[in-house]
Amino acid sequence: GAVVSQHPSWVICKSGTSVKIECRSLDFQATTMFWYRQFPKQSLMLMATSNEGSKATYEQGVEKDKFLINHASLTLSTLTVTSAHPEDSSFYICSARRRNTGSTEAFFGQGTRLTVV
Amino acid sequence: QKEVEQNSGPLSVPEGAIASLNCTYSDRVSQSFFWYRQYSGKSPELIMSIYSNGDKEDGRFTAQLNKASQYVSLLIRDSQPSDSATYLCAVNGPMETSYDKVIFGPGTSLSVIP
Repeated sequence: GAVVSQHPSWVICKSGTSVKIECRSLDFQATTMFWYRQFPKQSLMLMATSNEGSKATYEQGVEKDKFLINHASLTLSTLTVTSAHPEDSSFYICSARRRNTGSTEAFFGQGTRLTVV
Repeated sequence: QKEVEQNSGPLSVPEGAIASLNCTYSDRVSQSFFWYRQYSGKSPELIMSIYSNGDKEDGRFTAQLNKASQYVSLLIRDSQPSDSATYLCAVNGPMETSYDKVIFGPGTSLSVIP
């Protein structure tokens, strides 16, 4: 299997604080991880592509200083929402791609529901 | 122009019928195509991947790809109420290029009526 674990599943934080979300590939090494945001009744919007050992590539319109991505190892990527505000409340989902398979299939974590109050 | 387009639905089919979901994409460099299923409040689950023109069957699911028409579809045979979900079409460009990322369509909501 290809299991991706995301933690926490949900978090409530106060406006102005920072929140860190972890994405781990449990049974495979992932050179590439993707971070998405999904608002209610909308599709997944790609925020950034994270490659192990290098800087993340952010999509147009995504503030890299607000959404800090670290991909320090082949099994872990983190997304930190800095100085969160209510408009950052959303469902954040990561996905991971297996290393050295030549496949572009990506497997999703269970998502993190962030509520900023 | 949106990169990946789908009819938002909802698409309603009776139990046992064939559900047909369609998707078009705009970027001709796209090389990998996926169908994901997403239940409300959950993350997407990969159903099918297809890389070459033609049909690919897996159980009750058949994916069809036509690169010339930039069109990909998913057929669900013998639809079950448990198939009721949002189906997301996704595409990926060539690996190790700036197009190497999974882009999702808006999704089609499917409702299978018992």
